[in-house]
Amino acid sequence: AQSVTQLDSQVPVFEEAPVELRCNYSSSVSVYLFWYVQYPNQGLQLLLKYLSGSTLVKGINGFEAEFNKSQTSFHLRKPSVHISDTAEYFCAVRGNGQNFVFGPGTRLSVLP
Amino acid sequence: SQTIHQWPATLVQPVGSPLSLECTVEGTSNPNLYWYRQAAGRGLQLLFYSVGIGQISSEVPQNLSASRPQDRQFILSSKKLLLSDSGFYLCASEPGRVIDTQYFGPGTRLTVL
Repeated sequence: AQSVTQLDSQVPVFEEAPVELRCNYSSSVSVYLFWYVQYPNQGLQLLLKYLSGSTLVKGINGFEAEFNKSQTSFHLRKPSVHISDTAEYFCAVRGNGQNFVFGPGTRLSVLP
Repeated sequence: SQTIHQWPATLVQPVGSPLSLECTVEGTSNPNLYWYRQAAGRGLQLLFYSVGIGQISSEVPQNLSASRPQDRQFILSSKKLLLSDSGFYLCASEPGRVIDTQYFGPGTRLTVL
């Protein structure tokens, strides 16, 4: 079985500053990794995913993440955040043939 | 690409009343379908998933049930709601044959009073 840890429940950051949201997972099988964003009272929207290939994955809205197998991490980064990036961010992992497991989420607050 | 519809968008129900939430999917065939619940300020809890018509797997024992009467229709039901059933209910869909992404609907906000 897989599990996902998002170490920071809340991350405040000033506008135009860089941000990193941390995600670590545990799994006994090869995994596929995802980051989703949720704006208030909306469903989840896919930001990016790692299925195979390059470990640096670029997504929408200027976000990117790097899969690090040795550290079992998939941290999400953005070099310069905007007010509109304020939202809840979920990391998710899936093993082959198994269901998605979501982390508890990180609330990103971008301050003016 | 897929589009997932959910209705109603919001619902306020008294304790003990029945529930029916509907999810329909466009733009794909034979999807895997999922129901999640998100309590206030918390992550997603998988409730049910389905790999085909009439095939339902339950992840959490509760007073909720799910049905899949058609390939792209997924229904969440309850005969008698509890206060603890309040939350944000999300339907998700993914292509059935390959490892890929789950796409989410807009959600239903359920408040049980």
